[in-house]
Amino acid sequence: DGGITQSPKYLFRKEGQNVTLSCEQNLNHDAMYWYRQDPGQGLRLIYYSQIVNDFQKGDIAEGYSVSREKKESFPLTVTSAQKNPTAFYLCASSSWGQGASDTQYFGPGTRLTVL
Amino acid sequence: GQQLNQSPQSMFIQEGEDVSMNCTSSSIFNTWLWYKQDPGEGPVLLIALYKAGELTSNGRLTAQFGITRKDSFLNISASIPSDVGIYFCAGSNTGNQFYFGTGTSLTVIP
Repeated sequence: DGGITQSPKYLFRKEGQNVTLSCEQNLNHDAMYWYRQDPGQGLRLIYYSQIVNDFQKGDIAEGYSVSREKKESFPLTVTSAQKNPTAFYLCASSSWGQGASDTQYFGPGTRLTVL
Repeated sequence: GQQLNQSPQSMFIQEGEDVSMNCTSSSIFNTWLWYKQDPGEGPVLLIALYKAGELTSNGRLTAQFGITRKDSFLNISASIPSDVGIYFCAGSNTGNQFYFGTGTSLTVIP
């Protein structure tokens, strides 16, 4: 079954703790992304990666970190420096650079709640 | 980052009615995508558009890539209760970064 998986679906964390959200894709896409979604708002880009071992900050990267050691995986760490981490986090991947077939697909999301 | 202007923000319609929503950008795009998101789930891709003027259908859904390349439209015909959700547009001019609309919340009244 092809697609993007995110785990866990729900995550609870105490203030001051770091937490890592998993994202895996088997679509053979080069690019992967992390977005944050708050209630009633659109998607805001946290980080993206176009190739293994390379990634760029998005609009709201402060308090987050990522790694891209494998093409299939793009984990996101929410650090204690993120002041308001409670949100719905979405991972996505895309087949960019192929001209007519640029498309982005999303995972099912992880809802993070800080207690 | 750039946020696309999507309208209307919300819609309340009777089952069986047609729905229209649109998205505009200040930049030219080469790709327009339309998604539907159910509560607590990730957005699901509905339609992808790659050429100015292109009109593409997916069942009761039809989307168009505007001639100016700065806008796109999504129509849903004969709405049904399962059409309820939030619809997002997304545009890209490089293929490696996508910009999203603020979403249109659709409520279908049986």
